[in-house]
Amino acid sequence: GIQVEQSPPDLILQEGANSTLRCNFSDSVNNLQWFHQNPWGQLINLFYIPSGTKQNGRLSATTVATERYSLLYISSSQTTDSGVYFCAVGGGTASKLTFGTGTRLQVTL
Amino acid sequence: DTAVSQTPKYLVTQMGNDKSIKCEQNLGHDTMYWYKQDSKKFLKIMFSYNNKELIINETVPNRFSPKSPDKAHLNLHINSLELGDSAVYFCASRETGYQYFGPGTRLLVL
Repeated sequence: GIQVEQSPPDLILQEGANSTLRCNFSDSVNNLQWFHQNPWGQLINLFYIPSGTKQNGRLSATTVATERYSLLYISSSQTTDSGVYFCAVGGGTASKLTFGTGTRLQVTL
Repeated sequence: DTAVSQTPKYLVTQMGNDKSIKCEQNLGHDTMYWYKQDSKKFLKIMFSYNNKELIINETVPNRFSPKSPDKAHLNLHINSLELGDSAVYFCASRETGYQYFGPGTRLLVL
């Protein structure tokens, strides 16, 4: 099956800093989503981005499908950005998502 | 107007018991899923149904049995619960590409 690696595994930022999270995957995909799992455990959809670039407020994401990676940019980080960020990919017709192991982000004052 | 809902949110039970978790989506999607998140936060697919038909069945013990009475509902029944079943179980539904997740059910087996 598809392998998904995320880096870094852990990240501590001061409020206001910018960061880039990376997701590498081992095979062609037709689905890629970024999620934020907040401290209460909710999985929040950030982006559906199997290719190209999207922006939503302080967050943006880019997927280069031919090179099998995706990047999530967080600008001007806030304490509410803390939590775990997951990349999940899907390929073929089965439509299941394979999740990476996540990047745990802590934003401090 | 919850899109994907699960009940219960928390479930604490003894080893050996049988329990069910229910999931409902009001998005009109045809495809629904169960995922399991373990204590290390790793998320893994368990099952998927498309219009009440099972289409994905990962390597899951047969103590776990999903049931889809209609395309808006996907329930998960677990027999003879074991300590290792303690986890958070997420239900999801899908439109083209995009999967929407429920709030999760935190199961603790004592």
